[in-house]
Amino acid sequence: ELKVEQNPLFLSMQEGKNYTIYCNYSTTSDRLYWYRQDPGKSLESLFVLLSNGAVKQEGRLMASLDTKARLSTLHITAAVHDLSATYFCAVVLPLNRDDKIIFGKGTRLHILP
Amino acid sequence: DGGITQSPKYLFRKEGQNVTLSCEQNLNHDAMYWYRQDPGQGLRLIYYSQIVNDFQKGDIAEGYSVSREKKESFPLTVTSAQKNPTAFYLCATNPRREVLCSCDTGELFFGEGSRLTVL
Repeated sequence: ELKVEQNPLFLSMQEGKNYTIYCNYSTTSDRLYWYRQDPGKSLESLFVLLSNGAVKQEGRLMASLDTKARLSTLHITAAVHDLSATYFCAVVLPLNRDDKIIFGKGTRLHILP
Repeated sequence: DGGITQSPKYLFRKEGQNVTLSCEQNLNHDAMYWYRQDPGQGLRLIYYSQIVNDFQKGDIAEGYSVSREKKESFPLTVTSAQKNPTAFYLCATNPRREVLCSCDTGELFFGEGSRLTVL
C-alpha cells in the first residue's frame, strides 16, 4: 500500500525566511505532483516531477524529486504573505495501467507579515 | 471555455436522503476521479473511472455510488449508507491516453468542489 507523508503538517513562518516542506512516499513511483489549495477553494497544480533528479522552479518555490530516496522537497525562498496556503504532494501508484494518485495530508503554511 | 464543472457548490442534506453531485468536463479527458476532503485528512479517493462504462472503487467507496455513461460526465451519489457525509468533494480529470507519451504528465485537473453538509 502506498503511503505519502508530508512534514511538517503546520508551519508558521515570518516573511523573508526560507523553509522546506518534505514529502516521503513508501513505494516506487516516478511521478510526483505538488498542488496548492487556498481556504475554501479547489487545488491548483504547481509542479509536475517526472524523473529522478527533476527540479522545477516558479518564483519563490522550487520542487525537487529523489526517486531513490522516495523523497520530494518544496523549498520556499524569502517567503511572502501571498504564499500562505495548504500545499499537497501527490504520488502515482502504477497499478497495472489503472494509475491511482495518492495525496499526502497537506502542509498548512501561514506566513506572518 | 474548457474546464470541469461541479454542481452544486453547496448542498444541504437531511439524514437518510440520497444526494447526487454532478461533475461535467469538456476537456475530452478519459479518466475522472472523485475525492473527499476532510480537515486535516488530505484527499481520499472515493471512485475513479478510466473509460466510459467502467469504474473502480477507491479507498473509501462505502456509502457512495457512481456511473460513467458518457465520457463527459461522472456523477457521484452519496447514499444514506454513508454515515458521515459532511465534507468537501472534489472531482478531477486526467487525459490518460492509451499510449503514454512524453507529453502525458498524468497530473490531475480539479473542479471547484462541492461542499455537502448533513443537517
